[in-house]
Amino acid sequence: DAKTTQPTSMDCAEGRAANLPCNHSTISGNEYVYWYRQIHSQGPQYIIHGLKNNETNEMASLIITEDRKSSTLILPHATLRDTAVYYCIVRDSNYQLIWGAGTKLIIKP
Amino acid sequence: GAVVSQHPSRVICKSGTSVKIECRSLDFQATTMFWYRQFPKQSLMLMATSNEGSKATYEQGVEKDKFLINHASLTLSTLTVTSAHPEDSSFYICSASMETSGGHLGTETQYFGPGTRLLVL
Repeated sequence: DAKTTQPTSMDCAEGRAANLPCNHSTISGNEYVYWYRQIHSQGPQYIIHGLKNNETNEMASLIITEDRKSSTLILPHATLRDTAVYYCIVRDSNYQLIWGAGTKLIIKP
Repeated sequence: GAVVSQHPSRVICKSGTSVKIECRSLDFQATTMFWYRQFPKQSLMLMATSNEGSKATYEQGVEKDKFLINHASLTLSTLTVTSAHPEDSSFYICSASMETSGGHLGTETQYFGPGTRLLVL
């Protein structure tokens, strides 16, 4: 079973920041949090990952709470092309990605 | 960087035939590749983990004789669906693993191919 919980769906206005929450209350001390997204009928796209420090790259920022029990993916200026299903994943002890249902993010004009 | 390709992107075949899907890491060497299957409106399900030069490890419920995996080099893995039937119709996705966090154990990042849509008639 997936070790994370995410809202089923979210809307965001184009040009605004999209903040996608994720709960991972059972995360272990050495487990990373990964974020991927999947645009319809395509393979998943890697976005970002982190352990305990906040991370930023050209796509997004990842904010991890101090107790590491939750995190937020931030897309700073959402565009229509960011409409996708976003997956927050904590890898299992075999280092495999266990995919939950993700959050369907819809960017509205 | 970290580009993974799959070929073909879609295939239609008759029931009983075999279909081979190729997965290549184009700009990095991947010691581990993964094969997933995704049915409509469902999430990805891991089928098998493949390490270069060794036998693949299959997930519970996945028939290894039906889904043959060959990982002959650090940049190529193939999945062959043998004697395909309509219930095998699905979206097949591969990923290749690359270490991304300074050697910390368990920080390999998977990069995914674009997927292969298989339709068995």
